[in-house]
Amino acid sequence: QQQVKQSPQSLIVQKGGISIINCAYENTAFDYFPWYQQFPGKGPALLIAIRPDVSEKKEGRFTISFNKSAKQFSLHIMDSQPGDSATYFCAASITGANNLFFGTGTRLTVIP
Amino acid sequence: DVKVTQSSRYLVKRTGEKVFLECVQDMDHENMFWYRQDPGLGLRLIYFSYDVKMKEKGDIPEGYSVSREKKERFSLILESASTNQTSMYLCASIPQESRANVLTFGAGSRLTVL
Repeated sequence: QQQVKQSPQSLIVQKGGISIINCAYENTAFDYFPWYQQFPGKGPALLIAIRPDVSEKKEGRFTISFNKSAKQFSLHIMDSQPGDSATYFCAASITGANNLFFGTGTRLTVIP
Repeated sequence: DVKVTQSSRYLVKRTGEKVFLECVQDMDHENMFWYRQDPGLGLRLIYFSYDVKMKEKGDIPEGYSVSREKKERFSLILESASTNQTSMYLCASIPQESRANVLTFGAGSRLTVL
């Protein structure tokens, strides 16, 4: 059973556009929601993360929006660039636990 | 920076062979993990270890075993490789005291079983 559901599976965006990736979860005990970015030939690396005490977190062109009542969170990439082309994974975990539950990944392609 | 090194980036093995995937981290992290990455399925946890000689099953342990004889090294073992184990394998580590579960991943080992 997938603990974190992610969509879309793939996304193509024009340079300068906004990329939006959505995730949903069921376990209300989750209290940490990171996004990982993976370039071809590399392992995933932490991009940005949020805790449920805030509804939004922004770091540069990357923003996480969090809706606790709907149990959903999303990644917005503003002014998308070809260098943003990568696979993005959302995840959820419980602080202190040994595991993260990952979404199925979104392959983003930003075309010039 | 924490470094997680997976020594074999690409392997091709035959069905029935025994396969060892090695992972070494250099930051004295207690917790280490093995994930499998497949298109459309994301990252699935195979095994993790929170201390030397300790191991816990993840979501998909069948067909795999692990070994952690030293703190810095975590090995994934396929006793008898099968074609459905063709995949990308990712090792990761995290310190025990981390409040935020920020995993540091290796670059991956792509295994093809013929």
